Amino acid sequence: DQQVKQNSPSLSVQEGRISILNCDYTNSMFDYFLWYKKYPAEGPTFLISISSIKDKNEDGRFTVFLNKSAKHLSLHIVPSQPGDSAVYFCAASKETSGSRLTFGEGTQLTVNP
Amino acid sequence: GAVVSQHPSWVICKSGTSVKIECRSLDFQATTMFWYRQFPKQSLMLMATSNEGSKATYEQGVEKDKFLINHASLTLSTLTVTSAHPEDSSFYICSARRDYGYTFGSGTRLTVV
Repeated sequence: DQQVKQNSPSLSVQEGRISILNCDYTNSMFDYFLWYKKYPAEGPTFLISISSIKDKNEDGRFTVFLNKSAKHLSLHIVPSQPGDSAVYFCAASKETSGSRLTFGEGTQLTVNP
Repeated sequence: GAVVSQHPSWVICKSGTSVKIECRSLDFQATTMFWYRQFPKQSLMLMATSNEGSKATYEQGVEKDKFLINHASLTLSTLTVTSAHPEDSSFYICSARRDYGYTFGSGTRLTVV
């Protein structure tokens, strides 16, 4: 049962444009969501997170939007840069239940110069 | 920022031997660490939750006798893959929880030949 899903395995964007990565979840008990960036043969690097009490969180070029009614979150990167090319994972947790992270399958973002 | 050091970064071993992977929190105490496994082009799958001073909690389908986890101190958790077989070849990643989120190790690429 895949509780966190990233339906797009890959996304290609032109440098300077907006990258939008999407993530859906099924477990309504999730109350904390995170985005990670990962390069091959490296561990994930934390990007940005959002609590379920918010619908938007912004940090520099990265903004995460949460739509609880749709059980959907998205990561916006603007402007996109070639160095943003990596695999992006969304993850969710139930803060009141042991803090385990459940990851989506990842989306490979390629930003073309 | 919080650093989790994971060693080795890669290891090749013969089938039937055991391999130990270490995960250290360098500048904080981690009462809980998480061990993940990632197959190529797939999500990070939680294997077990390691609690300092107590037994690890394994996810369904993960053989606890094969993947031995020891969390003897607040800064060190180890994962030992016992009697490794080629199907155990994978990318193993540890993670520790901090107040503001999760920090990941750099991962270990295990190849069993």
